[in-house]
Amino acid sequence: GENVEQHPSTLSVQEGDSAVIKCTYSDSASNYFPWYKQELGKRPQLIIDIRSNVGEKKDQRIAVTLNKTAKHFSLHITETQPEDSAVYFCANKLVFGAGTILRVKS
Amino acid sequence: EPEVTQTPSHQVTQMGQEVILRCVPISNHLYFYWYRQILGQKVEFLVSFYNNEISEKSEIFDDQFSVERPDGSNFTLKIRSTKLEDSAMYFCASTYPPNEQFFGPGTRLTVL
Repeated sequence: GENVEQHPSTLSVQEGDSAVIKCTYSDSASNYFPWYKQELGKRPQLIIDIRSNVGEKKDQRIAVTLNKTAKHFSLHITETQPEDSAVYFCANKLVFGAGTILRVKS
Repeated sequence: EPEVTQTPSHQVTQMGQEVILRCVPISNHLYFYWYRQILGQKVEFLVSFYNNEISEKSEIFDDQFSVERPDGSNFTLKIRSTKLEDSAMYFCASTYPPNEQFFGPGTRLTVL
């Protein structure tokens, strides 16, 4: 079945720095790659997604890049703020990555 | 803005009891999903439902689980005989393809 590997499992950055989280997937036919943010006790919320016909998508401080050849996609958060602290999940089809705990230190 | 809703927010049950978790998807959505998340772990897919039948299910979704859309609005997950390891947060989601999945707030199931 589909497998999604996500790294790192935890990430601590200083406020204002950038954060990058990477996921690799196994199904070469995949065409939709979402990223979710989950705060403690809350539901996963979509923050950005990308489809296979583009290589990069940006929304203010958040961007996602996709490399279909290498089968990986990455989340980039620039100018991190304390409120970015949460667990971030990538997903491919119905399979979620293991999650990355992002801590932004002020 | 329309939202997926779930009831109850917290369900406590004894091992071996049946539970039904309820979801009301967004009204014009076509695909419905159940996921679970054990505390501190990742979100795991259980089942997807389309056109009044299961379209996909995971290995977790064994004979103890069933789903139903009893009317035009509710989507339910039944666990026939709960086990301790069924304790988790259960999320319902819905989508109008090819757009994003919208998640409900979750039901925390505690099996004692």
